[in-house]
Amino acid sequence: DAGVIQSPRHEVTEMGQEVTLRCKPISGHNSLFWYRQTMMRGLELLIYFNNNVPIDDSGMPEDRFSAKMPNASFSTLKIQPSEPRDSAVYFCATSTRGGNEKLFFGSGTQLSVL
Amino acid sequence: SQKIEQNSEALNIQEGKTATLTCNYTNYSPAYLQWYRQDPGRGPVFLLLIRENEKEKRKERLKVTFDTTLKQSLFHITASQPADSATYLCALDRGNAGNMLTFGGGTRLMVKP
Repeated sequence: DAGVIQSPRHEVTEMGQEVTLRCKPISGHNSLFWYRQTMMRGLELLIYFNNNVPIDDSGMPEDRFSAKMPNASFSTLKIQPSEPRDSAVYFCATSTRGGNEKLFFGSGTQLSVL
Repeated sequence: SQKIEQNSEALNIQEGKTATLTCNYTNYSPAYLQWYRQDPGRGPVFLLLIRENEKEKRKERLKVTFDTTLKQSLFHITASQPADSATYLCALDRGNAGNMLTFGGGTRLMVKP
């Protein structure tokens, strides 16, 4: 298995632009998490999906952030409009049974909003 | 408020020694706690999971303890090697059956040859 696949690896955009981050989970994993990592705030949970359904989105910072999981093999995190303070590394992680079992992380997307 | 605290200062030790990292938490009642390793430019990688009814768990040179009374977990690496240099993160569930992990800020370990 190729593991959790995230794209793009790096994204540089200008303030106000729409950004879409993508994640392909490991086949058979029914739980998917989006995290954001910065030096100041560490690794923050943004949203959790179970069986493609959003279970908890209390970590989503603002209405500018939205996430979808249209099927078991694909998820997106969208920021519209983007702001410089959104600059961070965004990770997607999946597991077979929520946080009860180990999470498998993707390599992350390094987002820079200028 | 809920907090997960790891020593933000880097831990520097000599090769061959035992490294001990600490994870303290407040206002959580986790059913389990996990430890991850993160290298620069990469995502965290799972190392160990310990449940609330387990005092200790081992895997090769790694050992984790979990004291729910002290609200603390200790992570030990014995016979440390320069390749063990990385940031180590603890994570725990929110204790409300939500199956969501919250991470501490991590401790950077530097093992010198």
